[in-house]
Amino acid sequence: DTGVSQNPRHKITKRGQNVTFRCDPISEHNRLYWYRQTLGQGPEFLTYFQNEAQLEKSRLLSDRFSAERPKGSFSTLEIQRTEQGDSAMYLCASSLRQVREGGEQYFGPGTRLTVT
Amino acid sequence: GQQLNQSPQSMFIQEGEDVSMNCTSSSIFNTWLWYKQDPGEGPVLLIALYKAGELTSNGRLTAQFGITRKDSFLNISASIPSDVGIYFCAGLSSGNTPLVFGKGTRLSVIA
Repeated sequence: DTGVSQNPRHKITKRGQNVTFRCDPISEHNRLYWYRQTLGQGPEFLTYFQNEAQLEKSRLLSDRFSAERPKGSFSTLEIQRTEQGDSAMYLCASSLRQVREGGEQYFGPGTRLTVT
Repeated sequence: GQQLNQSPQSMFIQEGEDVSMNCTSSSIFNTWLWYKQDPGEGPVLLIALYKAGELTSNGRLTAQFGITRKDSFLNISASIPSDVGIYFCAGLSSGNTPLVFGKGTRLSVIA
């Protein structure tokens, strides 16, 4: 399967703990996106990488959140000192071109985070 | 910030019926996208629209980019059980802004 993969698929953690999620994009895709999706809502943009450069960050991405894409391939999203409000599905997507250029963002299956 | 209003929030239809859902905004968008999300999965792109007035089909699905650039609709003809899921519209207002998603329309098909 050569789609976008995310690990872990589910994560349960206690409030205050740190968590890290991994996203492996489609191999030739240089653009990578992180979104957060809460129940009953659509995905909300968090951050965007082109190769290893983080080009855009949403105001939703507080200081407790950090994302990296060190070699322009896989990416990690870390949440420090988790809060109950961080409970959500974290989706990763990758694309070869920008949407406005006709590019399609391919989404992974997501990591569901539950903070207790 | 920009918001997309999707309606209806949910719908229950009989298999074989046609379905229509729409998405509106107070802002202009230059690209409209329609996605479907199944439980436990990420959204999958169904149709992309790039020009005002554009009407595009993908099998039983037809979507239109509103002439005002502030709305879009999606029609599904002759629904089947596998059409069940959540349908999201998404819009792009300019080249460097991120995609904005609506809250989704949950479709249930009764066989």
